Amino acid sequence: DAKTTQPPSMDCAEGRAANLPCNHSTISGNEYVYWYRQIHSQGPQYIIHGLKNNETNEMASLIITEDRKSSTLILPHATLRDTAVYYCIVRWYNNNDMRFGAGTRLTVKP
Amino acid sequence: GAVVSQHPSWVICKSGTSVKIECRSLDFQATTMFWYRQFPKQSLMLMATSNEGSKATYEQGVEKDKFLINHASLTLSTLTVTSAHPEDSSFYICSARDPNSYEQYFGPGTRLTVT
Repeated sequence: DAKTTQPPSMDCAEGRAANLPCNHSTISGNEYVYWYRQIHSQGPQYIIHGLKNNETNEMASLIITEDRKSSTLILPHATLRDTAVYYCIVRWYNNNDMRFGAGTRLTVKP
Repeated sequence: GAVVSQHPSWVICKSGTSVKIECRSLDFQATTMFWYRQFPKQSLMLMATSNEGSKATYEQGVEKDKFLINHASLTLSTLTVTSAHPEDSSFYICSARDPNSYEQYFGPGTRLTVT
């Protein structure tokens, strides 16, 4: 029983920013927001995670709303290789559980 | 990031036989590893949590006698699918938890086809 809600699919034009939303309205104070992606027939790849501040790394930016009930993963310049299923997961930092919801299938089009 | 490997990457076996899948953490010692199963066009489903030196904890609905998990060392966990049937055909993915950072790192997956 995933604690996040994501749109099932999204399209994005190559070179444009891809903004993937995630709702996690029942998130608790000590739960982090994690994003992974899975390219077809591969294992999930870690992208980014955050608690309440916005985060940025070489792959993406994570914007978390002030009430922490939703977040957006931003791929600033999407490429065809970013086509994948993106999973938003909330979990305690030191918790064992990493449970996946349905995710968002992002298709980057030329 | 840390590397987790799986072997084999794909395997085909006949119905009724058993198949073993290995999961290794290559650059850290993982006291906890996880096994997931993924059917086509579906998400990853956690099957079991494997703790080094103790019995695995299985998720509800996962048959522990069918999916044998052994975590005999800090870098190796194995999943054995016993008496495999075509409905066990799936993509099996493991992950390993770094006890220092609490981060989980995923393997590349093993595609099992039972004929």
